Amino acid sequence: EAGVAQSPRYKIIEKRQSVAFWCNPISGHATLYWYQQILGQGPKLLIQFQNNGVVDDSQLPKDRFSAERLKGVDSTLKIQPAKLEDSAVYLCASSSVDGFLEEQFFGPGTRLTVL
Amino acid sequence: AQSVSQHNHHVILSEAASLELGCNYSYGGTVNLFWYVQYPGQHLQLLLKYFSGDPLVKGIKGFEAEFIKSKFSFNLRKPSVQWSDTAEYFCAVKAAGNKLTFGGGTRVLVKP
Repeated sequence: EAGVAQSPRYKIIEKRQSVAFWCNPISGHATLYWYQQILGQGPKLLIQFQNNGVVDDSQLPKDRFSAERLKGVDSTLKIQPAKLEDSAVYLCASSSVDGFLEEQFFGPGTRLTVL
Repeated sequence: AQSVSQHNHHVILSEAASLELGCNYSYGGTVNLFWYVQYPGQHLQLLLKYFSGDPLVKGIKGFEAEFIKSKFSFNLRKPSVQWSDTAEYFCAVKAAGNKLTFGGGTRVLVKP
């Protein structure tokens, strides 16, 4: 079974530029998550999709971050404009259902450096 | 809101030593508990999970964890570590209707 795919793996940009990350979840997984992991901290949920609808985006900085999941499969996360504090690893995860009994499968992440 | 704390940020030990990583959470209701591991250069992967039943759960690679409800703890243990156990370990908690919440992680370095 193929895992969660993410691209790019690394990205370096200057502040105020924009950047986009792509995620392809495990086939058949209805729920998709984007996490931000700042160095030295655990992952923090940014947004959760159930199929192509948003379930939770309470921790997404909506003035600069946006995400979409067209057709309920792939997803993109965009930052515009980027700030220095956005430097982090952005993780995508998926699970088969958003129930109480679930395991999330994580992708390799995209390491973003904002200069 | 639920929260998770991991007591140690860094642990250094020698091969064959025993490992115990502490994890405490704050949430008064029923929770599911997880330990994830991230080996150098690899993605986060599930080590073990507790949903219900026997509070002593066994995971992959000889790891186990014990859920002590009265102490809101879910400590991870391994009797004898190997160099290949060098990794970062994350405890995570999920309550019904809530998001998966991670602790800050513990970096474990096993010296050969």
